[in-house]
Amino acid sequence: GENVEQHPSTLSVQEGDSAVIKCTYSDSASNYFPWYKQELGKRPQLIIDIRSNVGEKKDQRIAVTLNKTAKHFSLHITETQPEDSAVYFCAARDSSYKLIFGSGTRLLVRP
Amino acid sequence: DVKVTQSSRYLVKRTGEKVFLECVQDMDHENMFWYRQDPGLGLRLIYFSYDVKMKEKGDIPEGYSVSREKKERFSLILESASTNQTSMYLCASSWGSLEEKLFFGSGTQLSVL
Repeated sequence: GENVEQHPSTLSVQEGDSAVIKCTYSDSASNYFPWYKQELGKRPQLIIDIRSNVGEKKDQRIAVTLNKTAKHFSLHITETQPEDSAVYFCAARDSSYKLIFGSGTRLLVRP
Repeated sequence: DVKVTQSSRYLVKRTGEKVFLECVQDMDHENMFWYRQDPGLGLRLIYFSYDVKMKEKGDIPEGYSVSREKKERFSLILESASTNQTSMYLCASSWGSLEEKLFFGSGTQLSVL
């Protein structure tokens, strides 16, 4: 089955700097890659997603890139703000339609 | 707004008890999921369901079962609770296969003593 690895497990950046979180997946048939943000004590919420027929997608300060050949995808957050502090999860939908999550990255944005 | 409601926010049970975790969604979603969340392990899929009375095993189904008698309700059952099942349990739902966005409940923190 699908295996998703996420790095780093923790990330600390200065406010205004960029943050990058990387994920790799194992199932070459996976075709959908969402990112979820979970603020402290709250439920995970979808922030951006990308499908396998697209290489990059942007939404204001966040962007996701996908490299199907290397089987990895990344989340990029520019001009980070304190409210970006949260745990971020990547995920991949495998050939059996299951959504498999990475282990999460705790992002801390220092004011 | 989509609402996914989990019946309990906190639950404390004893080893060997049978435990029921209930989840209800109000948006007529086809798909429902149960995940458990543990520090450093992310969200791991226990079971999911694409239709009423239909269920599929996820990655860690051992020690759990599920029931989906009605479209809006998906129950997770711990037949005989054990201490290693102490965890945060998250229910989620989504539309059919063309719309993959998951809507999560607020979670149930289960402690098995």
